[in-house]
Amino acid sequence: EAGVVQSPRYKIIEKKQPVAFWCNPISGHNTLYWYLQNLGQGPELLIRYENEEAVDDSQLPKDRFSAERLKGVDSTLKIQPAELGDSAVYLCASSGPGQRAGELFFGEGSRLTVL
Amino acid sequence: GDSVTQMEGPVTLSEEAFLTINCTYTATGYPSLFWYVQYPGEGLQLLLKATKADDKGSNKGFEATYRKETTSFHLEKGSVQVSDSAVYFCALSNSNSGYALNFGKGTSLLVTP
Repeated sequence: EAGVVQSPRYKIIEKKQPVAFWCNPISGHNTLYWYLQNLGQGPELLIRYENEEAVDDSQLPKDRFSAERLKGVDSTLKIQPAELGDSAVYLCASSGPGQRAGELFFGEGSRLTVL
Repeated sequence: GDSVTQMEGPVTLSEEAFLTINCTYTATGYPSLFWYVQYPGEGLQLLLKATKADDKGSNKGFEATYRKETTSFHLEKGSVQVSDSAVYFCALSNSNSGYALNFGKGTSLLVTP
């Protein structure tokens, strides 16, 4: 069974440029999460989807960040415009109806460097 | 709000040494507790979990006991191997946050031969 797939793995951009990250969760997983991981820190939740509905986006900086999960499967996280402080790893995770609470499957992450 | 505090690293041990990584939490209600591990170049993966007080989670020789009286979930292993070198994250999930994971800052472990 394929795991959570994220792309790109690495992205380097100039500040003020836009960037987008894509995530394909494990087949059948209806819950999808985007986390932000700064260097030396634990992951922090940005947004949680149940199918196509964003049920918790309270930590998403909505002035420059947006996310979508149009068909309840894969998801895109966008930053526009990027700032120097956005340099971090963006993690996608998913869980299914058969998983117990807190048992998430993570992708390898997308590492963003803003110059 | 809910939070997790774990000991800062890096922790450096010799092979076959005993490992303890401390983790304490603050939460309302009855959270579930987890240890996730991130090996070099890989994604986060679940190591073990405990869902109620006095439960012991175990996997790959690691274990942790959910202690409600001390709000702790310390990770232990009796004899570490070089392959255990990784970053370890303590985390909790709670019904009041839709069961999303709330992570500690992580503890880096390096095991030398």
